[in-house]
Amino acid sequence: EDQVTQSPEALRLQEGESSSLNCSYTVSGLRGLFWYRQDPGKGPEFLFTLYSAGEEKEKERLKATLTKKESFLHITAPKPEDSATYLCAVIPMDTGRRALTFGSGTRLQVQP
Amino acid sequence: EAQVTQNPRYLITVTGKKLTVTCSQNMNHEYMSWYRQDPGLGLRQIYYSMNVEVTDKGDVPEGYKVSRKEKRNFPLILESPSPNQTSLYFCASSRQGWETQYFGPGTRLLVL
Repeated sequence: EDQVTQSPEALRLQEGESSSLNCSYTVSGLRGLFWYRQDPGKGPEFLFTLYSAGEEKEKERLKATLTKKESFLHITAPKPEDSATYLCAVIPMDTGRRALTFGSGTRLQVQP
Repeated sequence: EAQVTQNPRYLITVTGKKLTVTCSQNMNHEYMSWYRQDPGLGLRQIYYSMNVEVTDKGDVPEGYKVSRKEKRNFPLILESPSPNQTSLYFCASSRQGWETQYFGPGTRLLVL
């Protein structure tokens, strides 16, 4: 069974304090790994797609990396507006449904 | 602007009263999907559609119906809603499902 586990469940940072969120996954074969940001009561907002081990993507203060078993979302010098829940999801290679399997998310709070 | 829209955004109804949640995308995507999000259970796929007139069940299809008569629209139908369908619902679309899935703003449903 495909599984996605995110850690920590919650993270509180001071503004400017860099950190990393972890997403470990178990799938028969990885088609793609996705990072989303979700604000309370809103739809997941796409951040990054990673397809193969060693791949890295960057956007402003965020950088996503991928290995064969996990992905990291690095947040450099975060600001209060980065506070949100960050979701990791995978699409396995062998699924006809093409459904995203989501982790439970990391709730990030950045204090000024 | 490329987007996925859903209506209504909030809905309170009573057990057994049929309702439809609409979803529309303007990106000419072939793949569309419905998810529900519940505390502690994360996001789970309800139904998906590969293209017009092609739909199939996801992880939690019981109590729901869908149709795909036009490429841009993918309504979710609850013919006899029950309290356990109280949830936050998201529609998503993607070019063919393997790529990034873009989510709508969500519909919060309360069934009394």
